[in-house]
Amino acid sequence: NAGVTQTPKFQVLKTGQSMTLQCAQDMNHEYMSWYRQDPGMGLRLIHYSVGAGITDQGEVPNGYNVSRSTTEDFPLRLLSAAPSQTSVYFCASSPGQTYGYTFGSGTRLTVV
Amino acid sequence: GQQVMQIPQYQHVQEGEDFTTYCNSSTTLSNIQWYKQRPGGHPVFLIQLVKSGEVKKQKRLTFQFGEAKKNSSLHITATQTTDVGTYFCAGADNYGQNFVFGPGTRLSVLP
Repeated sequence: NAGVTQTPKFQVLKTGQSMTLQCAQDMNHEYMSWYRQDPGMGLRLIHYSVGAGITDQGEVPNGYNVSRSTTEDFPLRLLSAAPSQTSVYFCASSPGQTYGYTFGSGTRLTVV
Repeated sequence: GQQVMQIPQYQHVQEGEDFTTYCNSSTTLSNIQWYKQRPGGHPVFLIQLVKSGEVKKQKRLTFQFGEAKKNSSLHITATQTTDVGTYFCAGADNYGQNFVFGPGTRLSVLP
C-alpha cells in the first residue's frame, strides 16, 4: 500500500512556466485536497474534491487548476508560475468527512 | 471566511514538562482534527473530535473540544524528545468537507 504519492519531490520553475504536480492515492479515498505550506504558516487549502468529477476552491485557488477524472488521481496545475507560488505543496486524501487525512510527502517548488 | 488560530506559536520545554496548545475558530465547527508534523516531514493525523465537550486521550496526549465547538486544546503530559514537531489543528465547516488549518504550534523539547 503506497498511500498518497506525490511527484516530483522537488521542482524549479522559471516565472511564467506551467507545470502539473501529480498526486495519486491507492486507498480508494473519496476526498482529496491540495495544500500549500509556507515558512511559519499553516497549511492553506488550494482546491479540494469530494469525489471523481467534483472539485471546489479552497482559500487560495488563484493561479491553480485541478481536475478529478478518477478516484485515484488529483493533479494540480500551475498555469503561469510566479515567485509567490514558491512553497511546499501537499496532497492529502481521506475516506470521508469523519476521517483524518493521509498526506503525501510533499513537493518543494521554487519559482525563480 | 472561517479562520482558525493557535497559541502559542512556539513553545520550548524541558523534557518531562507538560505542554498545551490552544486552537480557536472564528466560527462554529462541525469537527476538529489534530495533526503532528516533524521537521522536514509531512502532517500526520492524530485524532478527530466531533462532539461538544468531547475529551479523548492517546497515551500522554489529551485532546478537548470546547462546549461551543469553537475551540480545542491538545495537552501533552511529561514531554519527551520524540514529541518535537509542529502541532496543527484543522477545523471543518458545517459541511465537514473543507478543513481550515491553524498556523501551528512548534514544540521544542530540551533533553
